[in-house]
Order: sequence, then structure tokens, then C-alpha cells
Amino acid sequence: GQNIDQPTEMTATEGAIVQINCTYQTSGFNGLFWYQQHAGEAPTFLSYNVLDGLEEKGRFSSFLSRSKGYSYLLLKELQMKDSASYLCAGLDSNYQLIWGAGTKLIIKP
Amino acid sequence: ETGVTQTPRHLVMGMTNKKSLKCEQHLGHNAMYWYKQSAKKPLELMFVYSLEERVENNSVPSRFSPECPNSSHLFLHLHTLQPEDSALYLCASSEAWGGGGYEQYFGPGTRLTVT
Repeated sequence: GQNIDQPTEMTATEGAIVQINCTYQTSGFNGLFWYQQHAGEAPTFLSYNVLDGLEEKGRFSSFLSRSKGYSYLLLKELQMKDSASYLCAGLDSNYQLIWGAGTKLIIKP
Repeated sequence: ETGVTQTPRHLVMGMTNKKSLKCEQHLGHNAMYWYKQSAKKPLELMFVYSLEERVENNSVPSRFSPECPNSSHLFLHLHTLQPEDSALYLCASSEAWGGGGYEQYFGPGTRLTVT
């Protein structure tokens, strides 16, 4: 079956760095997405990786290893507004997004 | 209006009612999606439309019926729902459907409660 695994909840300190891991098993693979979802709001796109390596976008970076079925989202210089759920989703061979349950990130002052 | 809008934002309905959710995108996109989001569960893709044609046939109960009259509008018709159907229903759109990493833009959702 298809599956996306990510931690349920993480806690980090303002100004620090946090890495949110995601492992995936999909039928075929056409890339991996990260979305951010603040409580009570819609998900918003953060990143898309289809090739191995690190993609940097400001304070956020996303990494992919296709051979390991693994990705992570790296958040630097954490701010209180980064408190949100982070959703990992893999695009399978039918172009269907398979979503993880999300990682709730709590930022403490 | 910009982005993706959904109405109503909140809906309470009895199990014998019939109601419809509406989604409109103002982005000129060619693909639209309905998702169900329940607490602490992954987003569940319900339906996908590309160029007004349904392209995904996920296992969704027939009490949910989608309609896509044009590329900007998407409806979800609801009838004889069950309490377990209570959830946040999200609409999304993307430039196209398929490979290429098309980012999905989500609407604010309709919070549905079935009593």
C-alpha cells in the first residue's frame, strides 16, 4: 500500500533550527511536496522536490533522497508564526497526491 | 475576489437533508480538487477534475456527488450524509493535473457538521 510517515508533533525554540522528517512509500514516484497549514486555515505550498538533493528557499529548505524514500523540511531562525502543521505529500504514478497526517510544530519563546 | 473561495464556510445539516458546497477559483487554473480533512488524519482526495472532466475515481460514497460546470467552478452535492462525514471539506485548484509538480492552491474550506 501507499504510505506517508511523519512525526505527529515537534517542539522547538524561537530562533533555533528544526528538521521535520518524512518517509514515503508510493506506487511510482513523481515528486514530493511540503505544505504548511496554520490552525483553522487552508494549506499553503512550501516546496516541491523531484530530484535528489537540497532545495533552499529563504529560511525553509527541503531535501529529498529517492533511493531512501526520505525527505525532510528544514526550518531555520524559527519565528513564532512558524507554529503550524507541516504536511508531507508524495505524488504517485497516477499523479495522485498521497498525504501524511501532518506534523504539528510548536514554537516556544 | 482572488484565489480560491468556498461557500458556505460552515454548514450544519441533518442526515436527511440535501445541500451543496460551492468552490470558485479565480486563478485561471485547469484542474480542481475536493478533499476531506478529518482531525489528525491525512487529507483524503475525493475527486479531481481536469479541463472539466473527472479524472480520478477514488472510492467515495455515492452520497457525495461532484459537479464541474466550467473550469472555474466546482460543486459537491451532499445527500443523506452520516455523522462520520462531519469534517472540513477543502477545495483546491492547480494550473494543470499530472506530472510537473503543479502546486495546489486551497480554499478556506467548509466546516461540515452532520447531526
